[in-house]
Amino acid sequence: GAVVSQHPSRVICKSGTSVKIECRSLDFQATTMFWYRQFPKKSLMLMATSNEGSKATYEQGVEKDKFLINHASLTLSTLTVTSAHPEDSSFYICSANDLSGEQETQYFGPGTRLLVL
Amino acid sequence: TQLLEQSPQFLSIQEGENLTVYCNSSSVFSSLQWYRQEPGEGPVLLVTVVTGGEVKKLKRLTFQFGDARKDSSLHITAAQPGDTGLYLCAGAGGYQKVTFGTGTKLQVIP
Repeated sequence: GAVVSQHPSRVICKSGTSVKIECRSLDFQATTMFWYRQFPKKSLMLMATSNEGSKATYEQGVEKDKFLINHASLTLSTLTVTSAHPEDSSFYICSANDLSGEQETQYFGPGTRLLVL
Repeated sequence: TQLLEQSPQFLSIQEGENLTVYCNSSSVFSSLQWYRQEPGEGPVLLVTVVTGGEVKKLKRLTFQFGDARKDSSLHITAAQPGDTGLYLCAGAGGYQKVTFGTGTKLQVIP
């Protein structure tokens, strides 16, 4: 079946540095990918919609200059957390929609755990 | 803003018991999905329901979509420790966006 990968799976960084997280659709093309954030024991919160070849669409309250999204190809979207602070520590999950089948299906990546010291 | 409220938030039961998780909203969704997530992993799709009143069964799991397509339920029969996890409902709205429910953390004790 379709697979979405994320890299890295875990990252620890110092406050003030930037961290890039990659999301790849491995066997299908995705014009649209989504980035979510999840706090411990909480549900997923949509941060932004990543659109291939155009600007990302951010949800209300999400700073676009803080969370840079680049969807450079049909199989890759990146999320860069700029000037990271401890409050940015979270579990970041991406998803990609496979439109090739009879029914549109959303596949989720395994997540990236970010810890900012 | 479309909100999906799940109840209960937490559930701890003994192996072999039955349980039902509810997902309610004031909004109408074109489809609704149920996911199960384990710690440190992404959510895994269990089922998608599309038609109001639809009932789908997946082994010991029974999913129902409300007639008005605003609510759904997940019933697990004879729960097993392997069912432990975070259960999330998610409603599909416009522009392929999915809104997740508040989540139900299930613990099945052997």
